[in-house]
Amino acid sequence: EAGVTQFPSHSVIEKGQTVTLRCDPISGHDNLYWYRRVMGKEIKFLLHFVKESKQDESGMPNNRFLAERTGGTYSTLKVQPAELEDSGVYFCASSFSEVKLFFGSGTQLSVL
Amino acid sequence: GQNIDQPTEMTATEGAIVQINCTYQTSGFNGLFWYQQHAGEAPTFLSYNVLDGLEEKGRFSSFLSRSKGYSYLLLKELQMKDSASYLCAVRGPSGTYKYIFGTGTRLKVLA
Repeated sequence: EAGVTQFPSHSVIEKGQTVTLRCDPISGHDNLYWYRRVMGKEIKFLLHFVKESKQDESGMPNNRFLAERTGGTYSTLKVQPAELEDSGVYFCASSFSEVKLFFGSGTQLSVL
Repeated sequence: GQNIDQPTEMTATEGAIVQINCTYQTSGFNGLFWYQQHAGEAPTFLSYNVLDGLEEKGRFSSFLSRSKGYSYLLLKELQMKDSASYLCAVRGPSGTYKYIFGTGTRLKVLA
């Protein structure tokens, strides 16, 4: 069974540019989550999809971040325009039940 | 406020036993999780406690005391491959799927 895949694994962009991160969850997992880890800090919740609907987006930092999950399959997280403080590792996770999250390896985003 | 505390780093010897503690203060509680993360890889699920007591799974065990806001992960017969970060996470009140993570404990296993 394929795990959660994220693309790209690394992205280096300049301040003011746009970046789109992609997550493909495990097939059949209705729940999809985005988390972020800023250097030296804990992993923090960004948002949660159930199928194509945003269930909870209380962790989204500001309106420069836009997450979508069209069709309830893969999800994208767009940052536009990127700022220096957006640098970090962006993790996607999916789950079938609410007990166990399956994480992707993350996208390391560096904003210069 | 929401807070999860765990030690930043621990070192132990191959074959030994190590206990990683986690204390939490959260506005709701619906389960405590431990994840293992090797550098550059995805966090992987280790254990889940929702009731008080000890859950054992092979070399790994996890304990929970809800009244004390306390958990620990016990790793026995340490192996070099156990060198990793161990993340403690709490799931919020029923109805929310939001997980609150600690900063993780980096465990080094020495030969």
